[in-house]
Amino acid sequence: QQPVQSPQAVILREGEDAVINCSSSKALYSVHWYRQKHGEAPVFLMILLKGGEQKGHEKISASFNEKKQQSSLYLTASQLSYSGTYFCGTVLSGNTPLVFGKGTRLSVIA
Amino acid sequence: GAVVSQHPSRVICKSGTSVKIECRSLDFQATTMFWYRQFPKQSLMLMATSNEGSKATYEQGVEKDKFLINHASLTLSTLTVTSAHPEDSSFYICSARDRLAGWTDTQYFGPGTRLTVL
Repeated sequence: QQPVQSPQAVILREGEDAVINCSSSKALYSVHWYRQKHGEAPVFLMILLKGGEQKGHEKISASFNEKKQQSSLYLTASQLSYSGTYFCGTVLSGNTPLVFGKGTRLSVIA
Repeated sequence: GAVVSQHPSRVICKSGTSVKIECRSLDFQATTMFWYRQFPKQSLMLMATSNEGSKATYEQGVEKDKFLINHASLTLSTLTVTSAHPEDSSFYICSARDRLAGWTDTQYFGPGTRLTVL
């Protein structure tokens, strides 16, 4: 039931864009995105509910394709502070807990 | 925003001892708290779901007698690692959901507790 994230790792130069994908083999109720810095707890970025919505948070936005059971996180004009590991978490229904993917390690270099 | 605290942030103990980790929701009530474990460079793995006033629900492969969970109030859940061994060394993170929010609303994470068993 663990969602699959891709790519596993990506290196960007400042100002470049990146897309991180998260897919599930099961129907999803919601998708949650988090960023974790080394040695720290995950920080919530955004939540997307079924219905195919898209959300934005500064230069980070995400979409949820309910038909494909897939969510994508878009990082535009990346900054050094964007470096970290991004996790998507999925909820299958109203009474199941959040299950995290394996993460995507993003490194932004000057 | 909602704040979750954990104590201690770091603990080193000898093999065979028990360690208690506290998770508190500081500005909201949490009927449900979750305990995760994260090994280096790996994802967060759900250990158990802690419900206020009832027994915790453990994920497959997690020993309930080794990882004791108590959720005695709407703001506090504790995880006790009993008879800890070096393989229990890990980063333990709790999260909590606001009682007034729906199930799929945000889980707020604590800062984590790094356990090292010698």
